[in-house]
Amino acid sequence: GESVGLHLPTLSVQEGDNSIINCAYSNSASDYFIWYKQESGKGPQFIIDIRSNMDKRQGQRVTVLLNKTVKHLSLQIAATQPGDSAVYFCAENSGGNQFYFGTGTSLTVIP
Amino acid sequence: SQTIHQWPATLVQPVGSPLSLECTVEGTSNPNLYWYRQAAGRGLQLLFYSVGIGQISSEVPQNLSASRPQDRQFILSSKKLLLSDSGFYLCAWSARGEAFFGQGTRLTVV
Repeated sequence: GESVGLHLPTLSVQEGDNSIINCAYSNSASDYFIWYKQESGKGPQFIIDIRSNMDKRQGQRVTVLLNKTVKHLSLQIAATQPGDSAVYFCAENSGGNQFYFGTGTSLTVIP
Repeated sequence: SQTIHQWPATLVQPVGSPLSLECTVEGTSNPNLYWYRQAAGRGLQLLFYSVGIGQISSEVPQNLSASRPQDRQFILSSKKLLLSDSGFYLCAWSARGEAFFGQGTRLTVV
């Protein structure tokens, strides 16, 4: 039969709480990572990126953490708001043109 | 600046009809191009990617095909649509450390 893609992992958080979305990667040569946010019916939009020479990078209410030892990436959203409800994707790059995108995590914020 | 155009935004097609979705990129050269599909409640599923003109890699066996007639043009096609082809289709490009998505096409096969 046809493959229709993996079920989206889901995360539900209370409004005002912090959210943590995780991403694991397998290529130890990956040195650049991006987080995207996809709102319903729209294409994913860039949120924040990080290079492998950093462990942490902060944006407005968002922080990305990179643990190269265990090949793990996380996106932390502070004081989560209803407008943060979306699907979040990570992407990895090892220096060339090719990016590998994760399947995504669906975040639902409960008012 | 780099932009990506994907059209149409929505499409309703009968079963058995052909399909052509187009994606064009501006502001970069020799990008990698991708077609993804999202079924409702599912994650991104990579359908095709291309590293250059005429070079297409297919990730999953399916009823669809892709072509790259020009450096910054990527086309997703089908000769005869199936009901299971319904979904949200996303085009993306990446080059020199950047990656962007189009706004997607909602395809409903009826």
